[in-house]
Amino acid sequence: QQQVKQSPQSLIVQKGGIPIINCAYENTAFDYFPWYQQFPGKGPALLIAIRPDVSEKKEGRFTISFNKSAKQFSLHIMDSQPGDSATYFCAARGAHSGGGADGLTFGKGTHLIIQP
Amino acid sequence: DSGVTQTPKHLITATGQRVTLRCSPRSGDLSVYWYQQSLDQGLQFLIQYYNGEERAKGNILERFSAQQFPDLHSELNLSSLELGDSALYFCASSPTGIFGNTIYFGEGSWLTVV
Repeated sequence: QQQVKQSPQSLIVQKGGIPIINCAYENTAFDYFPWYQQFPGKGPALLIAIRPDVSEKKEGRFTISFNKSAKQFSLHIMDSQPGDSATYFCAARGAHSGGGADGLTFGKGTHLIIQP
Repeated sequence: DSGVTQTPKHLITATGQRVTLRCSPRSGDLSVYWYQQSLDQGLQFLIQYYNGEERAKGNILERFSAQQFPDLHSELNLSSLELGDSALYFCASSPTGIFGNTIYFGEGSWLTVV
């Protein structure tokens, strides 16, 4: 049972465009939703995170939009750059999330390429 | 650099063999998590230890086991290896068991079973 569904699997965007990656969840007990960025040969690193009492969070060029009623959240990258090319994972944390007592359940990842 | 150290970085072994992956968490972090990453399954949670005790289990096979030692480092033991066990194994750590804390990942151990 996949508790966090992520789409698309891959995405190609021109430099300066706004890639959008979407995630949907089912477990209403989730209460923390981070996004991780992974470059080839590296481990995932926390990019930005949101709690469900907030509808939007911005950090630099990265924005999370959160729709609690729809149980969906998305990552937007403004003014995207070739250096943003990476794999992005959404995740969710909460009791019985399947990620450990307080661990994370991850989406399957989106391979993003920003073309110059 | 996340502060989580994993060894070895790369490992090639034959089917049926046993290997041990080692993880040193960030200084002061009590929780250690193991994840398996493969192309088709993404990041799969295997097991979590907190201050030496097993805290939660995910999709960990019976052929796999882990432990966390008094100095908080952890080892993941993989035995009777099969071709399908080839994957990138990540260790991650977080400060406590309370949710809301960030999980920090190491750079992973690439396991190739031939």
